[in-house]
Amino acid sequence: EPEVTQTPSHQVTQMGQEVILRCVPISNHLYFYWYRQILGQKVEFLVSFYNNEISEKSEIFDDQFSVERPDGSNFTLKIRSTKLEDSAMYFCASGRGAGGAVADTQYFGPGTRLTVL
Amino acid sequence: AQKITQTQPGMFVQEKEAVTLDCTYDTSDPSYGLFWYKQPSSGEMIFLIYQGSYDQQNATEGRYSLNFQKARKSANLVISASQLGDSAMYFCAMREGGYGGATNKLIFGTGTLLAVQP
Repeated sequence: EPEVTQTPSHQVTQMGQEVILRCVPISNHLYFYWYRQILGQKVEFLVSFYNNEISEKSEIFDDQFSVERPDGSNFTLKIRSTKLEDSAMYFCASGRGAGGAVADTQYFGPGTRLTVL
Repeated sequence: AQKITQTQPGMFVQEKEAVTLDCTYDTSDPSYGLFWYKQPSSGEMIFLIYQGSYDQQNATEGRYSLNFQKARKSANLVISASQLGDSAMYFCAMREGGYGGATNKLIFGTGTLLAVQP
C-alpha cells in the first residue's frame, strides 16, 4: 500500500540554523500538507500546497517557513532560522484531492522529530 | 472556542472489551468531515475512519465505528473487541466545508490516550 515517507526521522540543529525537512507524498495525490505537534500537545496545521502554490497557511507559518515541490515527487519544508520553540514533530500529509471536498482523507507520514538546541 | 473537544485525557479498557472515545465539535458550516487518527508510541498518525456531515449512516471500518450524533455535535469512536495493539493516542479531527469550498486544514482535538489491559 502506498504511503507518505519523510526524511530524516530525527534532526538536531542549533538555534539560528536552517533546516529542510523532506517528504515524498503518495504518488497520485495532488494536495500536500505540513503539520506540527509540539511534545504532548495537539497536532497543528501549518500549510497546504496545491498546483505548485500555497493554498492555505496558518499564523504559525510565518516568513521563517517556506515550502517547495522541487520535482515531481518531493515536498519540502524549510525553516530559515530555527528557534527553540520550533522543536516539534513535523508531519507531512497528502490527499488525493476530491475537488476540495471535506471527505478527502489526509494520509500522514511518520514524522520528523526536530530538536533545536 | 475549541472546535474539537476530547474530554478524556486517558482511558483504560480490558482486552476484548469495547471502548468509546468521546469527541464533540463546534462548527457553523453545514458541510464538514470528521476524522479519527491513531498515534501509537512510535509517533506516526494512522487514519482510522471518516464521517461526513451529510452521511445518513454511521461510518464503520472493521472494529472501528463512529457514533455520529449530529444534533449533539458529537462523533464518538467505538472500538470493539479491544486488542493490546490498540493502545495509543487517538485524535479526533474536523475539516470544515466553508462557503467558498472546503478549507484544507484539519483541526485536531487534544487526544485521548487509550491503554488496553490484558
